[in-house]
Amino acid sequence: KAGVTQTPRYLIKTRGQQVTLSCSPISGHRSVSWYQQTPGQGLQFLFEYFSETQRNKGNFPGRFSGRQFSNSRSEMNVSTLELGDSALYLCASSSGLAGGLETQYFGPGTRLLVL
Amino acid sequence: QKEVEQNSGPLSVPEGAIASLNCTYSDRVSQSFFWYRQYSGKSPELIMSIYSNGDKEDGRFTAQLNKASQYVSLLIRDSQPSDSATYLCAVNSGITGGGNKLTFGTGTQLKVEL
Repeated sequence: KAGVTQTPRYLIKTRGQQVTLSCSPISGHRSVSWYQQTPGQGLQFLFEYFSETQRNKGNFPGRFSGRQFSNSRSEMNVSTLELGDSALYLCASSSGLAGGLETQYFGPGTRLLVL
Repeated sequence: QKEVEQNSGPLSVPEGAIASLNCTYSDRVSQSFFWYRQYSGKSPELIMSIYSNGDKEDGRFTAQLNKASQYVSLLIRDSQPSDSATYLCAVNSGITGGGNKLTFGTGTQLKVEL
């Protein structure tokens, strides 16, 4: 099976712009979670989507949003970019059916630099 | 208080030795626990998952869980230079609402020296 894929891999934006990141989960997986990783804060949970619905949400401002399509692919959007949004954004997929007792597999990440 | 705590290291061990990585968590209702390995510039890679009290072994890796003490550990036997990486402890705190919500520790940097 192919793994989790994320596009683009690298992105440079300027403050105030918005950005959309894409994630394709492992075939058959219906849950997609997004995480932000920074040197200062580590890995932090953004949100999880399952069957096109947001099922869990982390403590991030409303500038961070996401959605999931019927084929389980997910997009994450960040509006009005700030310098502090520079980070590695990771997507993880799992079956979504094991009540939280399942393993999440991470994609390679999208590295976002905000200038 | 951080929800998942790990010693940041670095933890240095000689090649062939046992590396012991520790993690404590604060959410008593957590039911699933994971160890991920992350090489510099790469994404996290699953090493072990554990759900029940006791030990779980997979090759050179053994995960230990003690829910009463809210403690998870990872032992790496016969450590190799290729094991040098940051090890992340993660706890699924999404049980209440169902689904997934991993809370990560800050990671322990392991260095295996020749």
